[in-house]
Amino acid sequence: EAGVTQFPSHSVIEKGQTVTLRCDPISGHDNLYWYRRVMGKEIKFLLHFVKESKQDESGMPNNRFLAERTGGTYSTLKVQPAELEDSGVYFCASSHGLNTIYFGEGSWLTVV
Amino acid sequence: RKEVEQDPGPFNVPEGATVAFNCTYSNSASQSFFWYRQDCRKEPKLLMSVYSSGNEDGRFTAQLNRASQYISLLIRDSKLSDSATYLCVVNELRGGNLIFGKGTKLSVKP
Repeated sequence: EAGVTQFPSHSVIEKGQTVTLRCDPISGHDNLYWYRRVMGKEIKFLLHFVKESKQDESGMPNNRFLAERTGGTYSTLKVQPAELEDSGVYFCASSHGLNTIYFGEGSWLTVV
Repeated sequence: RKEVEQDPGPFNVPEGATVAFNCTYSNSASQSFFWYRQDCRKEPKLLMSVYSSGNEDGRFTAQLNRASQYISLLIRDSKLSDSATYLCVVNELRGGNLIFGKGTKLSVKP
């Protein structure tokens, strides 16, 4: 069974550009989460979808970040415009109900 | 004060050693507790959940002290393959808002 997959695995963009990260959760998982780890910090929660609805977006840092999950399947996280401090690794995760949360390998973003 | 604090590490131990990691959390209302393992440039993977009664999985033993807001992980008979970063994780609600510590790096040497 495929795990959580994320694309791209690595991205280097210039400050001010836009990047869109994609996440495909494990099939059948209604819950989808985004987390990120910036340099030197701990992994931090960004938001949580249940199907296509945003259950909790309290961790989104500012309005340059937009997450969507149309149709309740895959999700995208768009950063527009990107700033230097957005560099880090963005993890997507999914779970079935309140069971174990499985993480993808992450999308490594470098803003230069 | 950080929400989840861990030993900074790194821990460098020989094969066969016993090593213990500690973690404290700030929110007394926290509901569930975990240890995750993360290999270099990989995703975090659940190692084990932590229960108030303590629990064991092979060479790994986890303990939770709610009164002290303290979590521990003990690894016995360390293997080279145990080398990784160990993340203490707390969930304050029954949902997906996991709160991570910064992690403790373990290196097991031959």
